[in-house]
Amino acid sequence: QKEVEQNSGPLSVPEGAIASLNCTYSDRGSQSFFWYRQYSGKSPELIMSIYSNGDKEDGRFTAQLNKASQYVSLLIRDSQPSDSATYLCAVNKGYGNNRLAFGKGNQVVVIP
Amino acid sequence: SAVISQKPSRDICQRGTSLTIQCQVDSQVTMMFWYRQQPGQSLTLIATANQGSEATYESGFVIDKFPISRPNLTFSTLTVSNMSPEDSSIYLCSVEETLYNEQFFGPGTRLTVL
Repeated sequence: QKEVEQNSGPLSVPEGAIASLNCTYSDRGSQSFFWYRQYSGKSPELIMSIYSNGDKEDGRFTAQLNKASQYVSLLIRDSQPSDSATYLCAVNKGYGNNRLAFGKGNQVVVIP
Repeated sequence: SAVISQKPSRDICQRGTSLTIQCQVDSQVTMMFWYRQQPGQSLTLIATANQGSEATYESGFVIDKFPISRPNLTFSTLTVSNMSPEDSSIYLCSVEETLYNEQFFGPGTRLTVL
């Protein structure tokens, strides 16, 4: 079982719509959960961190965490063409561990 | 957040040679990490660069192939040794700046091995 799984294929959304990305993880001891955005040819950029069950909102981004289901999601509201990128889910490798495992990423394309 | 730089930004190398990648941070950080991102793939952690001691390597990565130095709290190097075309990747360093495992990445080094 992979440490972090992002199974959805490329996601195309119209401008102004909501993009929804999902991620599951295998280690129940994980405490720290992150979403990174990576533009083509660039390094990953941290956009959201979440540590407690529930929702965390930051601007147009909302991260959702459900530790019981080992599930993290990211919602992008009012999607803009500038949101077109690959979104990487990252999880710390178990309790008290500061090393991160990354999912394979989901490409989002926002269509004007 | 800290400003992270890497040198070189890209390089083309011959099989069997070695390349040392530098990572410089503009402030002192406790934790530094090295990752590899192969073409079209996600990030894989190579090792944690420990200041003043040997790096801690992930499964599948060994010191002879990827020696790492961390002489102080602002600088680290990763060497890719005896390179083969399979080592063609982007190599990224990251730093942990907060108490909450948040990592921030340098711009990366794009390596092509012929």
